Amino acid sequence: GESVGLHLPTLSVQEGDNSIINCAYSNSASDYFIWYKQESGKGPQFIIDIRSNMDKRQGQRVTVLLNKTVKHLSLQIAATQPGDSAVYFCAENLYNFNKFYFGSGTKLNVKP
Amino acid sequence: EPEVTQTPSHQVTQMGQEVILRCVPISNHLYFYWYRQILGQKVEFLVSFYNNEISEKSEIFDDQFSVERPDGSNFTLKIRSTKLEDSAMYFCASRGRGLNTGELFFGEGSRLTVL
Repeated sequence: GESVGLHLPTLSVQEGDNSIINCAYSNSASDYFIWYKQESGKGPQFIIDIRSNMDKRQGQRVTVLLNKTVKHLSLQIAATQPGDSAVYFCAENLYNFNKFYFGSGTKLNVKP
Repeated sequence: EPEVTQTPSHQVTQMGQEVILRCVPISNHLYFYWYRQILGQKVEFLVSFYNNEISEKSEIFDDQFSVERPDGSNFTLKIRSTKLEDSAMYFCASRGRGLNTGELFFGEGSRLTVL
């Protein structure tokens, strides 16, 4: 099956700094990607998505970059806040939305 | 704000027992999912459900698992004979009608502990 993995299991940043969370995927045919945030004891929460026909998409304080050449996805969080502390997962999808493959997750620690 | 609700929040059961996990998806959503997460690991797809039938299932979703939408509002996951390795957090998710987004709305999960 598809393989989605994250480079860094834990990322610590200072409050106010920018954060970059990376993700690698193995299926070049995947055409849709989502970043989810999971706070302790809660279910994953949608942050932002991007289709394979785009390289970049911006939301509120977040930007997702997609590099299809190297099958790499990143999530940039601007001016990181303590409330951003969570585990972040990327997920990929192929053709329809019936099944998403999640990556291993990166834990983001925001230091005050 | 509409949300996906799951019950129970935590269930402890003996190996070999049957377990039913319940979910109430967002009311106007049409697509339903179960995922699971073993402690400290990634979220794994189990099954997707649409129009009263399974759309897709993973290799994890074997004959011990079944899903049902018995009354138009609940969406259940049944594990017929639980094994130790079924211990995990089980997440229900639902998705709306829109074809342009795969955004899933997750519940807060049901923690299953098999002893």
